[in-house]
Amino acid sequence: NAGVMQNPRHLVRRRGQEARLRCSPMKGHSHVYWYRQLPEEGLKFMVYLQKENIIDESGMPKERFSAEFPKEGPSILRIQQVVRGDSAAYFCASSLTPVSSSGADYGYTFGSGTRLTVV
Amino acid sequence: KQEVTQIPAALSVPEGENLVLNCSFTDSAIYNLQWFRQDPGKGLTSLLLIQSSQREQTSGRLNASLDKSSGRSTLYIAASQPGDSATYLCAVRLYGGSQGNLIFGKGTKLSVKP
Repeated sequence: NAGVMQNPRHLVRRRGQEARLRCSPMKGHSHVYWYRQLPEEGLKFMVYLQKENIIDESGMPKERFSAEFPKEGPSILRIQQVVRGDSAAYFCASSLTPVSSSGADYGYTFGSGTRLTVV
Repeated sequence: KQEVTQIPAALSVPEGENLVLNCSFTDSAIYNLQWFRQDPGKGLTSLLLIQSSQREQTSGRLNASLDKSSGRSTLYIAASQPGDSATYLCAVRLYGGSQGNLIFGKGTKLSVKP
């Protein structure tokens, strides 16, 4: 049972290009979360998706960033017209269920990340 | 606004020592707290998950405690080994708001010298 798979592992883009990051959740997981880790910073939540739905995008920059999780295939984080400040590690996580009403939770499984470098 | 702080930012110890990593959070209304390990250039590996109703969890040489009222958690590593060298992150999951929103600390970078 493969874990959360992210590709590519490393991505280099010139300023103004588009970056497309892919995440395949663990088998059976239908909840996907994207986080960004800037140099010397902690991980910051970006977006939470279920199949075909964006549940919470409160951490997503308002412009240039978008995310999707189609019925078939991986979740995609898309960054248009990249700038140097977008250089970071982008992590995807998946979970089996969201937090239940009782507060029980099985936690997340994280992928190895995509390291984006904008030159 | 929830803030998670980890102290120290870096720690270097000789092999065999017992050590404690600290995590504090400002808002006690949490579902749970999770400790992760991050190796350089790698993803996050979940170590221990403590539900809000629990006080501690143990896995092998690791023991994590949670004191919600004081907003603190500690990760205790017994008999440290060079293979324990990594960055250790704690994260809390909040009540309300997004179910997917973990708040992370910046981590403690641990180096265990042989």
